[in-house]
Amino acid sequence: ETGVTQTPRHLVMGMTNKKSLKCEQHLGHNAMYWYKQSAKKPLELMFVYSLEERVENNSVPSRFSPECPNSSHLFLHLHTLQPEDSALYLCASSQAPTGRGGGNTGELFFGEGSRLTVL
Amino acid sequence: DQQVKQNSPSLSVQEGRISILNCDYTNSMFDYFLWYKKYPAEGPTFLISISSIKDKNEDGRFTVFLNKSAKHLSLHIVPSQPGDSAVYFCAASGPNAGNMLTFGGGTRLMVKP
Repeated sequence: ETGVTQTPRHLVMGMTNKKSLKCEQHLGHNAMYWYKQSAKKPLELMFVYSLEERVENNSVPSRFSPECPNSSHLFLHLHTLQPEDSALYLCASSQAPTGRGGGNTGELFFGEGSRLTVL
Repeated sequence: DQQVKQNSPSLSVQEGRISILNCDYTNSMFDYFLWYKKYPAEGPTFLISISSIKDKNEDGRFTVFLNKSAKHLSLHIVPSQPGDSAVYFCAASGPNAGNMLTFGGGTRLMVKP
């Protein structure tokens, strides 16, 4: 198994559907992230889990609901999405930061992304 | 407002020549900068980084330069190879931000044989 795996790779859903994106990391990391990449926009940080606790929720609408049951798995539950939520959703993992100068390289390991289309 | 900007959406370079990708930032608290590379249908992969205590970091064909007074960094690739064709993202983080990176919009590099 390689690094960070995301499923499904492609998802098409209606606005009334409920679906979930899954991410699994095999790198022994203890921090996981959801990023969103919309067309012609920078990657936007959505959620961060460090040591299985959510440490960041970047003003994301409640129709996106993350879940981190353990340090290897991360989910993004989706419900009543809007067409403008169509984007590439990227999961990443890293070692949990130990503070500046504590060996934190800032390097994230990304999955291949889940391409979401909301009709 | 974007705190990290890559003003050139694309760059075309001949094989063997130098590629220079630029990035500007506005947040003076940023103290760690990274470049990621992304091929189509793949996630971004880490390329090279630099701490604000340095002004240059080199790794093989890749060199990152940091100009703190101008809040500008650049990635130099020399010599450029066709396999370098990808989208390059600049990212930054501040003290106590851990790995919560702020990304630029990316520059698509095309290296022509």
